[in-house]
Amino acid sequence: SQQGEEDPQALSIQEGENATMNCSYKTSINNLQWYRQNSGRGLVHLILIRSNEREKHSGRLRVTLDTSKKSSSLLITASRAADTASYFCATDVRQGGKLIFGQGTELSVKP
Amino acid sequence: EAGVAQSPRYKIIEKRQSVAFWCNPISGHATLYWYQQILGQGPKLLIQFQNNGVVDDSQLPKDRFSAERLKGVDSTLKIQPAKLEDSAVYLCASSLAGGRNIQYFGAGTRLSVL
Repeated sequence: SQQGEEDPQALSIQEGENATMNCSYKTSINNLQWYRQNSGRGLVHLILIRSNEREKHSGRLRVTLDTSKKSSSLLITASRAADTASYFCATDVRQGGKLIFGQGTELSVKP
Repeated sequence: EAGVAQSPRYKIIEKRQSVAFWCNPISGHATLYWYQQILGQGPKLLIQFQNNGVVDDSQLPKDRFSAERLKGVDSTLKIQPAKLEDSAVYLCASSLAGGRNIQYFGAGTRLSVL
């Protein structure tokens, strides 16, 4: 069963704007990860946030985690056309176990 | 560092036929995963190997799907016989044992069952 639900399902913005994607999950987690998938390609790991962390930054990416609300958000600042892809959150329920992926957010950045 | 290799990239078969997919993980990665990704959805784990042992195959339809990882390196996933609903992208991923469970994915095999 899917653990995560992502919102919105699709997002269309102009280059230079910020993009925010949200993820909600159901059970306690060890960590939460975000992945990107370009059309016809495999997934690429973007960032990992542990259950005891609240915010993490990596370049133009900012991830927040609220374990009390069982939710996370991914912010991409100053978006570029190359950011066009599907973005998935994935929860690691127990260390060394499987990742459970959400349905994904399809981001389109128009030049 | 070479990434996760998968073949073939595309496969078209008719229902009730058999098909096999191959995966070569990143060198040194003890854990290997097979996922099924249906169009418009996130990947769903089919089976997880730790070296050549199965860790989790709870979502593998065992009446038609099988997987093996002989010698703890390469892996094959087989479907026999295929159904229309098996049309999907089959992704292989690998990760270091333990650690933070960051997974590295191959490009996938797109299967169309007609």
